[in-house]
Amino acid sequence: AQKITQTQPGMFVQEKEAVTLDCTYDTSDQSYGLFWYKQPSSGEMIFLIYQGSYDEQNATEGRYSLNFQKARKSANLVISASQLGDSAMYFCAMREGGGDKIIFGKGTRLHILP
Amino acid sequence: DTGVSQNPRHKITKRGQNVTFRCDPISEHNRLYWYRQTLGQGPEFLTYFQNEAQLEKSRLLSDRFSAERPKGSFSTLEIQRTEQGDSAMYLCASSPHRETPLHFGNGTRLTVT
Repeated sequence: AQKITQTQPGMFVQEKEAVTLDCTYDTSDQSYGLFWYKQPSSGEMIFLIYQGSYDEQNATEGRYSLNFQKARKSANLVISASQLGDSAMYFCAMREGGGDKIIFGKGTRLHILP
Repeated sequence: DTGVSQNPRHKITKRGQNVTFRCDPISEHNRLYWYRQTLGQGPEFLTYFQNEAQLEKSRLLSDRFSAERPKGSFSTLEIQRTEQGDSAMYLCASSPHRETPLHFGNGTRLTVT
């Protein structure tokens, strides 16, 4: 069963607009962690933001914020004031409570239009 | 901090040959992960180590895949009797603690002809 679901295979957004990338997850653990990574066309995986399941505040890192809705099991990434350089694949990932295994979703390809 | 280093960057091999990839994690990162990524897909978990102990291995991996981390530093991933379906990018990542993000290498791209 899919544990990380990213329902948007591709998105087109106008430069300077905000964009929300969806991620839902499935776990029965109480303790887990959620990550977002960016992968530009060059291929490197760039860490963006982390949210722990017990964190009460939504995580923020510069233009990135994570909209964490625990009851809905969603962890959407919000990018404010999008830039051309934000065009990339974005992956949501989860570390389940029992161990250190981290699993990834299939990703969303984001295109920022000038 | 010199980052996670993977060698080789590219490997082309014929079907049936064995290949071995190397990963040097960031020093003092005791957790090391291997992932496989095909075009347009997310990284697929293969295995991970805490120090020299291999703590989990994906059920998706056949017996042709083996990984080692003999001294808790660098790691190798070997694929025996390669098949065309093994063609992918093989990513290595490391982290110092459970709650910290993974630091990825640039990957080894394997092409099996």
